[in-house]
Amino acid sequence: GDSVTQTEGQVALSEEDFLTIHCNYSASGYPALFWYVQYPGEGPQFLFRASRDKEKGSSRGFEATYNKEATSFHLQKASVQESDSAVYYCALSGKGGRALIFGTGTTVSVSP
Amino acid sequence: GGIITQTPKFLIGQEGQKLTLKCQQNFNHDTMYWYRQDSGKGLRLIYYSITENDLQKGDLSEGYDASREKKSSFSLTVTSAQKNEMAVFLCASSINWGGSQNTLYFGAGTRLSVL
Repeated sequence: GDSVTQTEGQVALSEEDFLTIHCNYSASGYPALFWYVQYPGEGPQFLFRASRDKEKGSSRGFEATYNKEATSFHLQKASVQESDSAVYYCALSGKGGRALIFGTGTTVSVSP
Repeated sequence: GGIITQTPKFLIGQEGQKLTLKCQQNFNHDTMYWYRQDSGKGLRLIYYSITENDLQKGDLSEGYDASREKKSSFSLTVTSAQKNEMAVFLCASSINWGGSQNTLYFGAGTRLSVL
């Protein structure tokens, strides 16, 4: 079945560091790909999506590019702030009306 | 804007107990979901309801029942709580079903601990 793999379970950074979270997927065709962010004590919230090869999604300084060949949708941010400390989830929505399938999440901790 | 309200925020139960979690949304969304969140395992789908009178099992439905009482509310029942179980249950909604453009809106979760 369809699946999403996030390589990093935890990432520790200092403010102004560059962030990369790796997301790879397994699905047929062109699934829609998503990033969600969950702050402490809250539910996950939508960050952005991409639906076709080479499409870039972005929001709040975060971005990711749909790469069909590499089956990837890696999240990046050039300069993180302490307020970016959160859990980040990659997700996909396959064809035929499927519920979102989430990765295992990456906890990002940014120290001042 | 709208909001998803989950009650209770914290739930402590006893082994073998039947426990009910409630979710209300005022987005007027057709589709609602229950996900379970465990550390290191991400979000896993328990049940979903495409429309008001629909109920569908997700990958993790064993040990749970669900009920869509009306368009705005979706309940989840843990049929027999397991000892030392700890998890967060997240309710979500989306405008409708099947669109890859649909955004899920989540509640803040119910944190379950079983003694």
